[in-house]
Amino acid sequence: DGGITQSPKYLFRKEGQNVTLSCEQNLNHDAMYWYRQDPGQGLRLIYYSQIVNDFQKGDIAEGYSVSREKKESFPLTVTSAQKNPTAFYLCASSEGETQYFGPGTRLLVL
Amino acid sequence: LAKTTQPISMDSYEGQEVNITCSHNNIATNDYITWYQQFPSQGPRFIIQGYKTKVTNEVASLFIPADRKSSTLSLPRVSLSDTAVYYCLVGDANTGFQKLVFGTGTRLLVSP
Repeated sequence: DGGITQSPKYLFRKEGQNVTLSCEQNLNHDAMYWYRQDPGQGLRLIYYSQIVNDFQKGDIAEGYSVSREKKESFPLTVTSAQKNPTAFYLCASSEGETQYFGPGTRLLVL
Repeated sequence: LAKTTQPISMDSYEGQEVNITCSHNNIATNDYITWYQQFPSQGPRFIIQGYKTKVTNEVASLFIPADRKSSTLSLPRVSLSDTAVYYCLVGDANTGFQKLVFGTGTRLLVSP
């Protein structure tokens, strides 16, 4: 079954803690993306990667970091520098004119 | 970046046809128009995409006038399960989806 998986579905972060959200795809897509969605809002781009070992900041990269060591994986770390991390995080990959999204991870702060 | 404008919300009843219009006055020559559907706590799902005239698939139709400054997503005979947020995006995906902007979308509520 081809697609994008994200884990965990829910994640709790303590203040000052770094947490990592997983995103894996078996669609063989070169490009991958991370978005943040706040309640009632659209998606905002955090980071994107168009090819392995390369990634670029999106519109709201501060407080986040990523890596792209493998084509199928694009993990996102929410660092302690992100002061308002509570949100719904969506990973996506793309080929041609279409973007495919994972099921999302909801991050909550304890 | 081509900015889009959509109604914030729409209401409909089961079995009706719903038309959601998106305005994109500064669309560029290479830009495509893409619509996504998002249910609560899920990732957006591709619905339909077009460049000009009309496109139809098993889910929806997309009408694009000759000037391409607007587009209309048409959902035939909606059901309760069509209640979702619908996003209109405009851009040249060949240059990367990082240039596409998800606005707040149109929240469609379908009632019995």
